[in-house]
Order: sequence, then structure tokens, then C-alpha cells
Amino acid sequence: SQQGEEDPQALSIQEGENATMNCSYKTSINNLQWYRQNSGRGLVHLILIRSNEREKHSGRLRVTLDTSKKSSSLLITASRAADTASYFCATDALLSGSARQLTFGSGTQLTVLP
Amino acid sequence: ETGVTQSPTHLIKTRGQQVTLRCSSQSGHNTVSWYQQALGQGPQFIFQYYREEENGRGNFPPRFSGLQFPNYSSELNVNALELDDSALYLCASSPGGANYGYTFGSGTRLTVV
Repeated sequence: SQQGEEDPQALSIQEGENATMNCSYKTSINNLQWYRQNSGRGLVHLILIRSNEREKHSGRLRVTLDTSKKSSSLLITASRAADTASYFCATDALLSGSARQLTFGSGTQLTVLP
Repeated sequence: ETGVTQSPTHLIKTRGQQVTLRCSSQSGHNTVSWYQQALGQGPQFIFQYYREEENGRGNFPPRFSGLQFPNYSSELNVNALELDDSALYLCASSPGGANYGYTFGSGTRLTVV
């Protein structure tokens, strides 16, 4: 089952604008990760934020995490046409022992128009 | 440093058949996980292997099974294929331990007819 839900499901913006995607989840987590996927191919890891962190930056990416609201947001600044892809949040939780499980949301389809 | 390699890239099977998908993990990664992604959905966790043992499993029936080899490469086997097994199957590796991101392969697109 899907743990998280991304919002919006689809987002279309002009090149140069900022894109914000939100993610909500249900259970306690070890960390939350964001991934990007182009046209049904493999996922690319973008950024990881630990449960005790509130904000993290990587290049044009900014991620926030609010564990009290069980929500996260991904901001892509100064978007480019090449940022067009599906973006997924994934919660990382320990199952038992050393086993970890990523639970993905249903994704946000971002389209950046040139 | 090589990434995660999956083979084959595409596969068409008939309902009731069996299939084996293969994955070579990234160098230095001892943990491999498999995910199933249906069209328009996020990936769903199938199971995880660590040091050749399955140490975590999602909500998938026993006809989904796997192996991990001493070089940390892995196989996913699916028996008695059903039409609903049609999906993109993704392999991901990580160094193990908490707070590491995963490296995903490009996936195997399985179509069951």
C-alpha cells in the first residue's frame, strides 16, 4: 500500500519558475527521501532528510520535513525543461533488525515548459 | 564505480509461466531491494536481501522469491505469472545501515499476456 500521498498529482510551470511538491505520510520514519523518474525508467535519488532534521538543501533543491504533521515538501528553484519528470517521496523505516523498507507515494508529474 | 544493472530490459511472458530477473548491485553495496511499479503508481516494496538472506518482505505472495549471491548480485523469481504481474520491476542497492539513499537500476519491463 502507498504510505504517502504527493500533492499535486500534476504540475505544469514555465521555465525559470519554482516548483513545489508536497508529501504526506502516515507512520513514524527513519528518514524521508525524494526521487526523480524519467518516463518509467529507474529512479534517481535526489535528497535524503533525517527525521531529526527540518530543512535540507542540495543545489536547486530544498526539502523540508515536519514530523509533527507527517509532511514534507520539495522545492525546485529556477526550473529547467530538463527537470520534467515524475517526483516521488519515499519514507524509509526499519522493519526489523537491519531490514529497511522504502514506501513510496504516487508521485507528482512535473512538466516544465520552455 | 558502476551503478545498478538490471537484465533483461524488456520481457514478454505468458500467464502461468515463470520468470527470472537479474540485478547487479553497485560496487560496495551489500543490500539489495526489489520493487514492483505498476503503470501510473509509485513503486511497491517486494523484499530486501542482506548478505544473501531475505531480511524484509512486503505484501507479496510466496510465488515471488529471490536470491542474493556472494558478490551481492540478486535475482527475482516469479512463478505462475498472472496478468497483474505486468509492471516495471526495479532493483535498488544501498550500503546497508540507516540513512543512506538507494541506487536504482533502470528496471525490467515485464508484460504478461
